[in-house]
Amino acid sequence: DQQVKQNSPSLSVQEGRISILNCDYTNSMFDYFLWYKKYPAEGPTFLISISSIKDKNEDGRFTVFLNKSAKHLSLHIVPSQPGDSAVYFCAAREAGSYQLTFGKGTKLSVIP
Amino acid sequence: DVKVTQSSRYLVKRTGEKVFLECVQDMDHENMFWYRQDPGLGLRLIYFSYDVKMKEKGDIPEGYSVSREKKERFSLILESASTNQTSMYLCASSTNDRGQYFGAGTRLSVL
Repeated sequence: DQQVKQNSPSLSVQEGRISILNCDYTNSMFDYFLWYKKYPAEGPTFLISISSIKDKNEDGRFTVFLNKSAKHLSLHIVPSQPGDSAVYFCAAREAGSYQLTFGKGTKLSVIP
Repeated sequence: DVKVTQSSRYLVKRTGEKVFLECVQDMDHENMFWYRQDPGLGLRLIYFSYDVKMKEKGDIPEGYSVSREKKERFSLILESASTNQTSMYLCASSTNDRGQYFGAGTRLSVL
């Protein structure tokens, strides 16, 4: 039973446009959410996070939105750049836990 | 910057061999994790440790064991490697606060 779902295995976006990556979760105990970016043959790197007490967190070109009632979060990248081409993983953590539950990832391709 | 170092980037082993994957972190983190990543399956937790000599099973512990004798080092052991253990193995560490920091990964091929 997947608690964190990334329903789009892949996404293609033109350079300069907005990329929107989506993530849904089922566990209402999750209180902290993260996005990781992974290039081939490298480990995932932390990108941005959001606590459940917020609905938006912004860091440069990256913004994460959280809709708790819908149990949905999204990562917006504006403007998209070719170097953003990677696999993006959504992850969530329960209150009081240090374990992360990961989605299966979305492969983003930014076309020059 | 946090550094998580995995001892090998690529390994090729034979079926039945005992395999050790080593991971070292330099930030005095309490928690360490081992994942495997396979296409279409995302990151799956094998084992984790929240303190020296402590270990907990993750989602897919079968065929694996771990060792944490020192706080900075967390080892993953494949007692008898099998072809279905061919995968990318990722080590991570964290404090009890926020996210996890990952190593570069070890691509293991079992022939």
